[in-house]
Amino acid sequence: KAGVTQTPRYLIKTRGQQVTLSCSPISGHRSVSWYQQTPGQGLQFLFEYFSETQRNKGNFPGRFSGRQFSNSRSEMNVSTLELGDSALYLCASSFLGDGGLNTEAFFGQGTRLTVV
Amino acid sequence: QKEVEQDPGPLSVPEGAIVSLNCTYSNSAFQYFMWYRQYSRKGPELLMYTYSSGNKEDGRFTAQVDKSSKYISLFIRDSQPSDSATYLCAMSAGANSKLTFGKGITLSVRP
Repeated sequence: KAGVTQTPRYLIKTRGQQVTLSCSPISGHRSVSWYQQTPGQGLQFLFEYFSETQRNKGNFPGRFSGRQFSNSRSEMNVSTLELGDSALYLCASSFLGDGGLNTEAFFGQGTRLTVV
Repeated sequence: QKEVEQDPGPLSVPEGAIVSLNCTYSNSAFQYFMWYRQYSRKGPELLMYTYSSGNKEDGRFTAQVDKSSKYISLFIRDSQPSDSATYLCAMSAGANSKLTFGKGITLSVRP
């Protein structure tokens, strides 16, 4: 069974540009969450999508947005990039069966974004 | 005060040592408690998951949750060099709630 796939693995962008990151969840998983990981702040929750709807949202500015497609694949977009957006962006997928237990999240390897 | 606090480390121990990793939290709504392990250049992987208070054992790993003290621990017995990684605690208030992570502690097990 394939794991969570994130593309691209590495990205270098210039301040002011925008970027789109992609996440393909494990087959059958309907929930996709995005996290930002930095040495200073650790892992911080960005948002979660379930059945194409944003279900949870973290405390990030509106420059950070996402969406989920009918096949559960998800994209995350960051507009007007700032130097502080340099981070590892991680996607996690979960299977929500009866009861909707979301705790067993499987992470991808992440996209390393560097803003220069 | 951050919702989840984790000892910053780093932590270095000799092979075979017992390792104790800890997190405290302030949100009494947290009910689900997890430990993730993250190797360099990899995403986190779920190591242990506990619901509410109590202990859970899986091989050399034991997770403990004390909700009255808002304190969780992960014990690693007979530590191995392959255990060298960053360990993150994570918590959520409900089955569909977001995960809140500690900052993580980097463990190095010396051969």
